Amino acid sequence: DQQVKQNSPSLSVQEGRISILNCDYTNSMFDYFLWYKKYPAEGPTFLISISSIKDKNEDGRFTVFLNKSAKHLSLHIVPSQPGDSAVYFCAASARTGGFKTIFGAGTRLFVKA
Amino acid sequence: NAGVTQTPKFQVLKTGQSMTLQCAQDMNHEYMSWYRQDPGMGLRLIHYSVGAGITDQGEVPNGYNVSRSTTEDFPLRLLSAAPSQTSVYFCASSSLKAGGFHEQYFGPGTRLTVT
Repeated sequence: DQQVKQNSPSLSVQEGRISILNCDYTNSMFDYFLWYKKYPAEGPTFLISISSIKDKNEDGRFTVFLNKSAKHLSLHIVPSQPGDSAVYFCAASARTGGFKTIFGAGTRLFVKA
Repeated sequence: NAGVTQTPKFQVLKTGQSMTLQCAQDMNHEYMSWYRQDPGMGLRLIHYSVGAGITDQGEVPNGYNVSRSTTEDFPLRLLSAAPSQTSVYFCASSSLKAGGFHEQYFGPGTRLTVT
């Protein structure tokens, strides 16, 4: 049973437009959510996070939105750039679970120039 | 700071062989974890640790052992390798300062093939 789901395996966007990546979770004990970016042959790198006490967090071109009632979060990238082409992983962590962090399957983003 | 280091980068094993994947971090992080990445499956948590002497199972712990004798090191042992363990393995660490969870720093990965 997947606790963190990213239902879109891939997404293609034109340079300069908005990219929206979605993530759903099932465990209501998750209280911290993160997005990671991964290039081929490298380890994932942290992008942005949000605590369950907030519904939005912004960092430059990246914004994460959290809808706790729907158990849904999304990552918005505006404007998208070709260098943003990578695999994006959604992750969730629960303090009560000893901070066990569960990842989604990832969404591959292609930004076309 | 070297961050999170993993050795080896590549490894080929025969079925039934055992080996240890090494992971070390120099950031004094309390939290360390091991993931495997398989196509279409994302990153799946194998084992994790919130401090020296404390380990716990993740989503897919069978066939793997870990120990945490120091803050810096978190080796992953494959007891008897199987072809299903062919994967890319990532080690990660994170600070738990102020009782909170922060982002994880990942190593470059170990690509393991079991024949």
